[in-house]
Amino acid sequence: KAGVTQTPRYLIKTRGQQVTLSCSPISGHRSVSWYQQTPGQGLQFLFEYFSETQRNKGNFPGRFSGRQFSNSRSEMNVSTLELGDSALYLCASSLWVAGGYNEQFFGPGTRLTVL
Amino acid sequence: QQQVKQSPQSLIVQKGGISIINCAYENTAFDYFPWYQQFPGKGPALLIAIRPDVSEKKEGRFTISFNKSAKQFSLHIMDSQPGDSATYFCAASKRATGNQFYFGTGTSLTVIP
Repeated sequence: KAGVTQTPRYLIKTRGQQVTLSCSPISGHRSVSWYQQTPGQGLQFLFEYFSETQRNKGNFPGRFSGRQFSNSRSEMNVSTLELGDSALYLCASSLWVAGGYNEQFFGPGTRLTVL
Repeated sequence: QQQVKQSPQSLIVQKGGISIINCAYENTAFDYFPWYQQFPGKGPALLIAIRPDVSEKKEGRFTISFNKSAKQFSLHIMDSQPGDSATYFCAASKRATGNQFYFGTGTSLTVIP
C-alpha cells in the first residue's frame, strides 16, 4: 500500500508570495491533517480535514488555509509568505473510526524556505 | 501555550543502555498518547501508543509508562542501539474531536556504539 505522498518536496519562495502544497493520503483514509515543524516549536497542528470539511483548526493566522477534495487529496495554501513561515510542512492521514485509536501516518514533508 | 511538555531536549546514551524520555500534559481530556520516531529527511512514524486506562505498555524494547494522576508519561528504550538514534516526539489527543494532536518539542537521541 502506498504511503502518504507530498509534493513538492522542496520549495523556495520570497516574502510576499503565496504557495500551495499538496498531499495524497493513503488509499481509503478520509482524515488529513497538516502540521508545521520547526526546530524551535516542534510540530504545530495547522488543521484537519475529514470528508472535505475542516474539522479542527490550530492557532495559525488566516494566511494559512486548506481544502480537501472528494478523493481525500488535500492542499494547503499560505498567502503573503513571511520569513517565519520557513519550515517543514507535514501531512498525515488516518483511517478515521469514531471512538477508535486512530493512527496517523505521516508523509515525508515539504521543506519550504522563504527568502 | 505548550500543552505537552517534553524533556530532555537531547540525550546521549551508550549502546546497551536505557534511554528515558519524559512528557507531561495539562489537559485531562486527552485520552490517547502516542510516541513518534523521526529520522532525518523522513516524516514521524508511530512507535508505540497508550490509553489512559493502562499504566504501562511494552512492545519489544520500547515501553510507555503512564501516570494519570501526575499527568505524565514516559518512553523507555531498553538495550538502546545505534539504530535508535533519532528524534522522538510524544503527543496527546482527544479522540472524540478528531485527529488534532498536540506534540512535545522532541528529544534528539544519540546512541553511541
